[in-house]
Amino acid sequence: GQQVMQIPQYQHVQEGEDFTTYCNSSTTLSNIQWYKQRPGGHPVFLIQLVKSGEVKKQKRLTFQFGEAKKNSSLHITATQTTDVGTYFCAGPLNTNAGKSTFGDGTTLTVKP
Amino acid sequence: NAGVMQNPRHLVRRRGQEARLRCSPMKGHSHVYWYRQLPEEGLKFMVYLQKENIIDESGMPKERFSAEFPKEGPSILRIQQVVRGDSAAYFCATSGTGPLNEKLFFGSGTQLSVL
Repeated sequence: GQQVMQIPQYQHVQEGEDFTTYCNSSTTLSNIQWYKQRPGGHPVFLIQLVKSGEVKKQKRLTFQFGEAKKNSSLHITATQTTDVGTYFCAGPLNTNAGKSTFGDGTTLTVKP
Repeated sequence: NAGVMQNPRHLVRRRGQEARLRCSPMKGHSHVYWYRQLPEEGLKFMVYLQKENIIDESGMPKERFSAEFPKEGPSILRIQQVVRGDSAAYFCATSGTGPLNEKLFFGSGTQLSVL
């Protein structure tokens, strides 16, 4: 069935290193959203991408939406310990119901 | 402006008991989504409701699970005759005018533990 795949599942980095997580869909997405969940917390909305090829930045975070609108990436430059958490992408694959289908997430740990 | 309120935060039940999880949307939000999350796993969609209507329950187990969003009051996720496998974090999320382009606001979740 339709689903959103995310890689890698886990990423361990040294503080100051960069980090990237990738999101892929087998079908075209009308938009894609990214969420962050801190350990023990709840998902918090980060950003939404809508246009083909769109790139958005939030400080050290760069979000990209692929030209075909089937993939997306989140890149963090010079990670900090505050970046620890699980990053989820979500795409509304079922346009009738519109429910957001979440990827399984990438869990980032940062070693100080 | 209060966010999405879920209660209880923690719920302990013995096998065979009923669990009721509540979710009060943000003010002005009429779309409610329930998700289940097992430890170190992703968010699995369960059900999507608007006021008094179930729009999509394709992620809901066929037995023992039900959800409602009455005209007045919170949305309720009800699990009858709980089993150990129901132990998980249950999150509700709400949105405003529609699901396709609206970001989701999540509640703090209910951690259900079945003994």
